[in-house]
Amino acid sequence: NAGVTQTPKFQVLKTGQSMTLQCAQDMNHNSMYWYRQDPGMGLRLIYYSASEGTTDKGEVPNGYNVSRLNKREFSLRLESAAPSQTSVYFCASSEQGPGWYFGPGTRLTVL
Amino acid sequence: GENVEQHPSTLSVQEGDSAVIKCTYSDSASNYFPWYKQELGKGPQLIIDIRSNVGEKKDQRIAVTLNKTAKHFSLHITETQPEDSAVYFCAASKTSYDKVIFGPGTSLSVIP
Repeated sequence: NAGVTQTPKFQVLKTGQSMTLQCAQDMNHNSMYWYRQDPGMGLRLIYYSASEGTTDKGEVPNGYNVSRLNKREFSLRLESAAPSQTSVYFCASSEQGPGWYFGPGTRLTVL
Repeated sequence: GENVEQHPSTLSVQEGDSAVIKCTYSDSASNYFPWYKQELGKGPQLIIDIRSNVGEKKDQRIAVTLNKTAKHFSLHITETQPEDSAVYFCAASKTSYDKVIFGPGTSLSVIP
């Protein structure tokens, strides 16, 4: 039982490049989330998916798109990366009960 | 909009002393209040949570209290140890599987 896994762990992009962050969970959770973490600002919700086939915007969705590929996988795409998107990105999943489980994070730098 | 405030932003205590972190929330519909511990280079990990129908919950050296009328909740760590050093986040949500709003975090340092 690996919990929540994320790939890649680190990534450096140039402004304007695109990339997809991958997330998968093996806990059979219905809900999945993407957060970004910036110094002094805590965790901010980008997008979430309450169940397979649905996605909704969070606090800071601009510049991002998501895909809930199946129950296990929830990807985050940056179509045209900007330096303001330099951050640590966390994927999380949850089910009714003990709250959210977070992945180890992806550290993204946009030059 | 929904907001969670957290204080202090940094906290330094001597090993064996207690540490208290306080949060306030704005959305009166919030019913679920988890606390997370984040160690350097890792993702946040749930350490304890409390629901609105409970005023206090304890788990060994950790306790949480909730005052729903005042929209306040707090984390208490007793007999602190160096391994308690981390960033702690409070959060609020309507349910344990709904989207959650996090506080900005408290960096706790326990000095041996």
